[in-house]
Amino acid sequence: GEDVEQSLFLSVREGDSSVINCTYTDSSSTYLYWYKQEPGAGLQLLTYIFSNMDMKQDQRLTVLLNKKDKHLSLRIADTQTGDSAIYFCAARPGGSQGNLIFGKGTKLSVKP
Amino acid sequence: GAVVSQHPSWVICKSGTSVKIECRSLDFQATTMFWYRQFPKQSLMLMATSNEGSKATYEQGVEKDKFLINHASLTLSTLTVTSAHPEDSSFYICSASPEGDQPQHFGDGTRLSIL
Repeated sequence: GEDVEQSLFLSVREGDSSVINCTYTDSSSTYLYWYKQEPGAGLQLLTYIFSNMDMKQDQRLTVLLNKKDKHLSLRIADTQTGDSAIYFCAARPGGSQGNLIFGKGTKLSVKP
Repeated sequence: GAVVSQHPSWVICKSGTSVKIECRSLDFQATTMFWYRQFPKQSLMLMATSNEGSKATYEQGVEKDKFLINHASLTLSTLTVTSAHPEDSSFYICSASPEGDQPQHFGDGTRLSIL
């Protein structure tokens, strides 16, 4: 089955760019997602990309997908202290009803 | 955008109590909803797929008699943790999406603490 891996921690300074990386194993995954979770809260959908796309940009967020290497990244430009949270990468396996397989989450700490 | 509401947000109760958690899609209909469980500082693990009008599909290792799922309408799924024990303490999150390939939207989660 699908396995999603991501680094556990990232620390950046306010104003810098943050890049969070993720790898997955199932090449049939149709959609890949980035969710944000703040302490004690649910998951907020940040962005997602269809597997036949290479890049998607939405304001400060840029998603890059290398399908050959099964590598996904999320770049946050001009990172703010309010961006501090846990970021989950998730894949929707091909043929699934819509359920997602999540990575363990990357805790982003933004220092002023 | 699509909104999923989950209630209650926090429950503290004694061991042996049954607890019902509701998941509602507020502005769309969902034939399928998903229930996840998240342990502290860990990822989300899919527990079951809730299907409107039919039985839920449980993931391996999840006791269906322990975690009862009912999806009686296109906007409501409930998860009942029966005879809860301290090891059932966790963060439970549901998700749903409009039809087609729309992304999953998550509720705010329910923190369940069993004393």
